[in-house]
Amino acid sequence: GQQLNQSPQSMFIQEGEDVSMNCTSSSIFNTWLWYKQDPGEGPVLLIALYKAGELTSNGRLTAQFGITRKDSFLNISASIPSDVGIYFCAGRTGAGSYQLTFGKGTKLSVIP
Amino acid sequence: DGGITQSPKYLFRKEGQNVTLSCEQNLNHDAMYWYRQDPGQGLRLIYYSQIVNDFQKGDIAEGYSVSREKKESFPLTVTSAQKNPTAFYLCASSNRGDQPQHFGDGTRLSIL
Repeated sequence: GQQLNQSPQSMFIQEGEDVSMNCTSSSIFNTWLWYKQDPGEGPVLLIALYKAGELTSNGRLTAQFGITRKDSFLNISASIPSDVGIYFCAGRTGAGSYQLTFGKGTKLSVIP
Repeated sequence: DGGITQSPKYLFRKEGQNVTLSCEQNLNHDAMYWYRQDPGQGLRLIYYSQIVNDFQKGDIAEGYSVSREKKESFPLTVTSAQKNPTAFYLCASSNRGDQPQHFGDGTRLSIL
């Protein structure tokens, strides 16, 4: 099946710094989703991307759908302590496909 | 309050026992999904259902069973055939297959 490579696996940053993470795939996707998961809870949708080159923001979060359709990027600006958690990317390969492929997550720690 | 409710939050299974995890949604979504999450891993799809009385196997369906008798409900049974059931189980729903999936808060299953 498809695989998503998400990096970095974990990162420690100072409060106020900007953060970047990405996902790459060997397959072309037509949808990219970014989720955040807090410990013991379900993932929460942050941003959905549907078109190559699309750049979408949600507050301090910005995500981009790569031009090649094989990658996506998530940036967090001016990080705060509540940004701590695991960020997952997920992709869907075809129109009408119900199945999402998930990356293994990026664990973000913010040092006050 | 609209959302997805999973119960119980914690569940313990004895050897050779079947257990059923509940998932209810009041979002009027047609599609529902079950995922398994292991530490440090992404989400893996167990089963999904596009519509009432229909469901499809995901990537890791062996040892699990589901039913979809009502639009709101998609229970998952972990059977005794699943030899490594300890995991965090997440239920999700979406309006259509090409719409983002929204998650419940999960059930953590452990073996006694």
